Amino acid sequence: KQEVTQIPAALSVPEGENLVLNCSFTDSAIYNLQWFRQDPGKGLTSLLLIQSSQREQTSGRLNASLDKSSGRSTLYIAASQPGDSATYLCAVRRNDMRFGAGTRLTVKP
Amino acid sequence: EAGVTQSPTHLIKTRGQQVTLRCSPISGHTSVYWYQQALGLGLQFLLWYDEGEERNRGNFPPRFSGRQFPNYSSELNVNALELEDSALYLCASSRRVGQDNEKLFFGSGTQLSVL
Repeated sequence: KQEVTQIPAALSVPEGENLVLNCSFTDSAIYNLQWFRQDPGKGLTSLLLIQSSQREQTSGRLNASLDKSSGRSTLYIAASQPGDSATYLCAVRRNDMRFGAGTRLTVKP
Repeated sequence: EAGVTQSPTHLIKTRGQQVTLRCSPISGHTSVYWYQQALGLGLQFLLWYDEGEERNRGNFPPRFSGRQFPNYSSELNVNALELEDSALYLCASSRRVGQDNEKLFFGSGTQLSVL
C-alpha cells in the first residue's frame, strides 16, 4: 500500500526566503507525481506534474524534482511571498492517487 | 472550458440520514476520484471511477458508495450518516491513466456537516 509522507508539517518563513518542501513515498512504481496548493476550506489547485520518466518540472518560481528510485520529491519555492501562504500537498499516482498530509506554509511580510 | 463542478456546496444533515453528492468532471475526462478531508486532516481516498466502473476504493465502510454515469459524471452516496462524516468532500477528474496530461483537477468541494 502506498504511503506518502510530507516534511515538515508546518513551516513559517519571512518574505523573500527560498524554501524546500519534501515528499517521500514508499512504492516507487508510480506513473506521476503532482504538487498541489490548497487554501483554507477550498479545493486543490494543481501546481506541477512530473511524469515518472522526468526528473524535474519548473513553473515560474516553483521547481519540483523527482527521484523515483529513492521515493522522493522536493518542491522548491524561490523568493517566497505572503501570497504563497497555503497548504502544499504532494500526490503520487499509480492507479488511484494518494496524498500526503501536506505542509502548511506561512510567509510573513 | 468548465472545471470540475460539485453540488451542493454546503449541506447540513442529522445523524442517520442519507446524502448524495454530485460531481461533473471536465469535458474529456473519464476518471473521477472522491476524497474526504476532515477538519485539520489530510485527503483520504474514497473511490475511483473510470469508464463507468469502480476501479478502487479506500478504507471506508460500505455505507460509502457511488457510481459513475455514461456521461462520466458521478455521485457519492453516504448512508446512515455519523457525526464523524462531517468533512469537505472533494471530487477530482483526469484523463485515463496512461494518457498525456494526466493532471488531476479538483472541484471546490461539498462541505457536509452532520449534527
